[in-house]
Amino acid sequence: LAKTTQPISMDSYEGQEVNITCSHNNIATNDYITWYQQFPSQGPRFIIQGYKTKVTNEVASLFIPADRKSSTLSLPRVSLSDTAVYYCLVGPANDYKLSFGAGTTVTVRA
Amino acid sequence: GAGVSQSPRYKVAKRGQDVALRCDPISGHVSLFWYQQALGQGPEFLTYFQNEAQLDKSGLPSDRFFAERPEGSVSTLKIQRTQQEDSAVYLCASSSSRGSPTGELFFGEGSRLTVL
Repeated sequence: LAKTTQPISMDSYEGQEVNITCSHNNIATNDYITWYQQFPSQGPRFIIQGYKTKVTNEVASLFIPADRKSSTLSLPRVSLSDTAVYYCLVGPANDYKLSFGAGTTVTVRA
Repeated sequence: GAGVSQSPRYKVAKRGQDVALRCDPISGHVSLFWYQQALGQGPEFLTYFQNEAQLDKSGLPSDRFFAERPEGSVSTLKIQRTQQEDSAVYLCASSSSRGSPTGELFFGEGSRLTVL
C-alpha cells in the first residue's frame, strides 16, 4: 500500500475554503485516491475518490496533479458541522485492506 | 436496514471476560469488514468476509479474536479473555462490491469496548 502523509490538524473559520493536501510519493499505477470523513462517535464516511485530474461532487473537490504524487481535498465554504477527521487513502481498486493512518483533524470555528 | 447497524454501542467488560459484538450490514451487501480504532488513531483492518467465507483474517491481533458470518449476512466479532489493550472502537463496514471496496465502504457507528 502506498504510504500517505497529511497534516495532523488544520483550523478554519466558517465560510472559508479548506484545502487538505496528502502526499503519496510512491503511488502505483493502479492506485486510486480516496478520502473519508469521520465525525466523533461515528464510523468513517466516504467523501470522494479519484484517479487523476479533478473530481467534484456535492460535498468536495479532489485535485490530482499529473504526477499523482499528491492530492488536495477541497472543502468549499465550511461550516461548524464540517469539523471532523479527514483521511486520505491510496490503494488499488480491488484492495479491501483500507489503510487509514491518523488523518487530519479539521476544526471549524465560528 | 438503511445502514450498517452495530450492537451494543457501548460495552464495559472486566478483564478476562468474553465479549461478542454484532454487525448487521446493509441488506444484500456481499462484503463485510471489521476494523479496530484505538483512541486518536485511524481504523485498522481486522478481517474480511465475502458472503459467509472469511477470506482474510490477517489483521486479527491474537487468537483471542474470532469473527464469523455463518449465513452471509449478520456477523459477530468475539473477543475471548479480554485484556485492557483490547479497549477500542470496533467498526463494521459493508460493501456491495466483490473485493473492490475502494470508495464504497459503508461503516456502522461502531461498538466502543472498555476493558477494566
